[in-house]
Amino acid sequence: DAGITQSPRHKVTETGTPVTLRCHQTENHRYMYWYRQDPGHGLRLIHYSYGVKDTDKGEVSDGYSVSRSKTEDFLLTLESATSSQTSVYFCAAGQSNTGELFFGEGSRLTVL
Amino acid sequence: SQKIEQNSEALNIQEGKTATLTCNYTNYSPAYLQWYRQDPGRGPVLLLLIRENEKEKRKERLKVTFDTTLKQSLFHITASQPADSATYLCALVPLDNFNKFYFGSGTKLNVKP
Repeated sequence: DAGITQSPRHKVTETGTPVTLRCHQTENHRYMYWYRQDPGHGLRLIHYSYGVKDTDKGEVSDGYSVSRSKTEDFLLTLESATSSQTSVYFCAAGQSNTGELFFGEGSRLTVL
Repeated sequence: SQKIEQNSEALNIQEGKTATLTCNYTNYSPAYLQWYRQDPGRGPVLLLLIRENEKEKRKERLKVTFDTTLKQSLFHITASQPADSATYLCALVPLDNFNKFYFGSGTKLNVKP
């Protein structure tokens, strides 16, 4: 997993509660990404960051926010979780000049 | 809309045969295309990357082709082994934004001994 760690790895929560997923990298990659993976949809980009405090939206950003205060950490926040946000969330990091993304092990979120 | 399509049905083949997986895309101008392997409960791992001006790339038993006219990439595993059983994802990076990676839904490969 090339130094990408996600926490928590598993979480069960209730509708309407806030949730924060954390991604930590040790390789000083400039770019970091949050994806969600659902059956039949593959990996869909939620948000990404191209530097400290620099973020942009992906395909499915509604209901999610992100923050990157340090190069190594990228946080994904669900302000008020809904059942449709039940998914497996993957963090990735990379350098655009190499074209390779390194993924974490995933965080399984269940919203009841 | 922009789409990356992979065969959602599992591909079942016999050990020793060549597995061929397909990735089709629409409405993109790709800078490059990638193939990842994903095992259950794990994150994807990059196997091969091919640029839009390349037609073929090889790495050991793996081969990728890229036809920008057909908007299609083929991923081949020769002399397949049960250990090759996994889900294979294709990803496309568009010319207009090198920072974005768009993924297909993946094809599950089952190699039977």
